[in-house]
Amino acid sequence: AAGVIQSPRHLIKEKRETATLKCYPIPRHDTVYWYQQGPGQDPQFLISFYEKMQSDKGSIPDRFSAQQFSDYHSELNMSSLELGDSALYFCASSLGLEVSGANVLTFGAGSRLTVL
Amino acid sequence: GESVGLHLPTLSVQEGDNSIINCAYSNSASDYFIWYKQESGKGPQFIIDIRSNMDKRQGQRVTVLLNKTVKHLSLQIAATQPGDSAVYFCAETHNQGGKLIFGQGTELSVKP
Repeated sequence: AAGVIQSPRHLIKEKRETATLKCYPIPRHDTVYWYQQGPGQDPQFLISFYEKMQSDKGSIPDRFSAQQFSDYHSELNMSSLELGDSALYFCASSLGLEVSGANVLTFGAGSRLTVL
Repeated sequence: GESVGLHLPTLSVQEGDNSIINCAYSNSASDYFIWYKQESGKGPQFIIDIRSNMDKRQGQRVTVLLNKTVKHLSLQIAATQPGDSAVYFCAETHNQGGKLIFGQGTELSVKP
């Protein structure tokens, strides 16, 4: 079965540079969520989109922005990168906003960003 | 400066033993809870879920218990296997509203 695809899997950037992460949800899923996971920490919710509109916002820095496109894929844009942005970034998808046993969030394998 | 990761709580068990992983959740209004398993370098994987109108749910080798009075969840894994070694997170949501809030993970290490 097709899963959530994230790219790139690994990314190395310098401080103050810009990075873009991409997420391709499971086919037919119209909702995507972005999470940031620092070393040894739990995933922190950043932002989510439903039908190309922002549906919720968490602890996303102002330096970050995201959008969902007409094909439902999403991109997370990160500017003025800081050392503390080094983390695993996960995307998850679901069908609609109502999460239940038959429609749980399915996570991608993540994109590891290292800021030097 | 260099960021230092937090040390996760760890649970070490012998292969074949039962494991119990605990989680305290934060929002008394949360009504849906999920346990995820995360292996190194991978995304969280769904294990089992439970709604707030239940206090116990069983799956294959796993059982989730919910105590709403003290806002506590536990995951029981029967006959733990080396392949169960991973970090386990509980997650909560309100009105099944999609966004999940994760609790602190527990690293399970299974000794053969």
